[in-house]
Amino acid sequence: DGGITQSPKYLFRKEGQNVTLSCEQNLNHDAMYWYRQDPGQGLRLIYYSQIVNDFQKGDIAEGYSVSREKKESFPLTVTSAQKNPTAFYLCASSFGTLAFPEAFFGQGTRLTVV
Amino acid sequence: DQQVKQNSPSLSVQEGRISILNCDYTNSMFDYFLWYKKYPAEGPTFLISISSIKDKNEDGRFTVFLNKSAKHLSLHIVPSQPGDSAVYFCAAQNSGGSNYKLTFGKGTLLTVNP
Repeated sequence: DGGITQSPKYLFRKEGQNVTLSCEQNLNHDAMYWYRQDPGQGLRLIYYSQIVNDFQKGDIAEGYSVSREKKESFPLTVTSAQKNPTAFYLCASSFGTLAFPEAFFGQGTRLTVV
Repeated sequence: DQQVKQNSPSLSVQEGRISILNCDYTNSMFDYFLWYKKYPAEGPTFLISISSIKDKNEDGRFTVFLNKSAKHLSLHIVPSQPGDSAVYFCAAQNSGGSNYKLTFGKGTLLTVNP
C-alpha cells in the first residue's frame, strides 16, 4: 500500500521540550512538505524539501527544524523556541514535476503542549 | 498578505442541489490550482485541479471553473450529497517556480443537509 505515514496521531509534550514528528512516504516522491493547521488559519507551510539533503523554509519556519537524509523520510522537530506549538501538523509529498504537481497528505499529527 | 482567499467560511446546501465554493487569488504567477477536501482530524485529500491554460475541468460530480482575468476559481458539486460535508481548501501553485509548493486558502466548511 503506497502512501504517507505520519506518526504518532496524537502527541503530548511539556512546555520547553523539543519533539520530533515522523513522516514517511513510499510513493517515490521527490518533494516533501510540512504544513500546520490552526482553526480559521487554513494550512500554512513550515518547511519543504525538493531533494535529499536539501530543504527550504516556508512561511512560518521559526521554531522548527527539519532534515532530509533519505528520500522517504522528512521528520519535523518542534523546538522550545516555537511560541505556539499546539496545532495539527500535516506532512505531504509530491513528484514535484509539471506533469504531476499534486501533493498528497498524511493523516496528520495533533500536537498538544501543556 | 493572503494570496489565496476563500471568503466564505461556511456554506450550507440541501442534498441534491448544487454546491458552489469560491476562491480568489492575487498572485498572477499562480498557474495551477487544486481543490482539497478535508474531514476533521484527517489529512486533506486531493479532489480536482485545473491548469491556467484551461477554463474548466470536470470529474464526475465535480467541476472546477477558472476565470484568469478575474483571478477567480470555483468548485461546483452537482448533485451534492451528505458525504460531501467537509472543509474544502483551494490551493494555488506557481509551476514555474521550481518548487511546486502549494499556497492554501483558509477553507470553506460545506454542510450538505439530507
